[in-house]
Amino acid sequence: GQSLEQPSEVTAVEGAIVQINCTYQTSGFYGLSWYQQHDGGAPTFLSYNALDGLEETGRFSSFLSRSDSYGYLLLQELQMKDSASYFCAPKSNTGKLIFGQGTTLQVKP
Amino acid sequence: DADVTQTPRNRITKTGKRIMLECSQTKGHDRMYWYRQDPGLGLRLIYYSFDVKDINKGEISDGYSVSRQAQAKFSLSLESAIPNQTALYFCATSDFRQSGELFFGEGSRLTVL
Repeated sequence: GQSLEQPSEVTAVEGAIVQINCTYQTSGFYGLSWYQQHDGGAPTFLSYNALDGLEETGRFSSFLSRSDSYGYLLLQELQMKDSASYFCAPKSNTGKLIFGQGTTLQVKP
Repeated sequence: DADVTQTPRNRITKTGKRIMLECSQTKGHDRMYWYRQDPGLGLRLIYYSFDVKDINKGEISDGYSVSRQAQAKFSLSLESAIPNQTALYFCATSDFRQSGELFFGEGSRLTVL
């Protein structure tokens, strides 16, 4: 079976660091992706982890622990424009990606 | 021009009508997907296709059908629309070499009255 958990909401202030966790149970797990979606917009790709460890892309980093079926997205130096929904999406060996319900991040001044 | 184009962007229809949402892409990707998004439920996979002769059911395929007319075109049909199919629908594409990265269209907002 498949299950996916991430917090529904997170609030942080500008300039801070926030971590959005994701736990998953995915048959034939292959890797974990993260997406950002602003209100009314299309999801956009942020990062992908196929191997354990940390991947860094500018202010955003993503971590994966395959043995713990756990990953997180780390956002540093938060900006107001980072207010959005963030989705983790495990990829299975069949090639399909299943999305979680998303975490709404609100960045306050 | 967008790489992944969905038409129509907005549609209001009545219960029982047949509706087709179309998706075309200029990225040359082999893989195409249809997702549905409802408030608080994230994105749910309806159907996906890895090439013209390949069609696979996703999490919520009941009430939907798809057609992959060409590598660049993937359409989603609702044979007899019902109100609980009111949602935002996204088409996405990927290249088998780009693990985990989907490219989304702008979405099609469907309202069934």
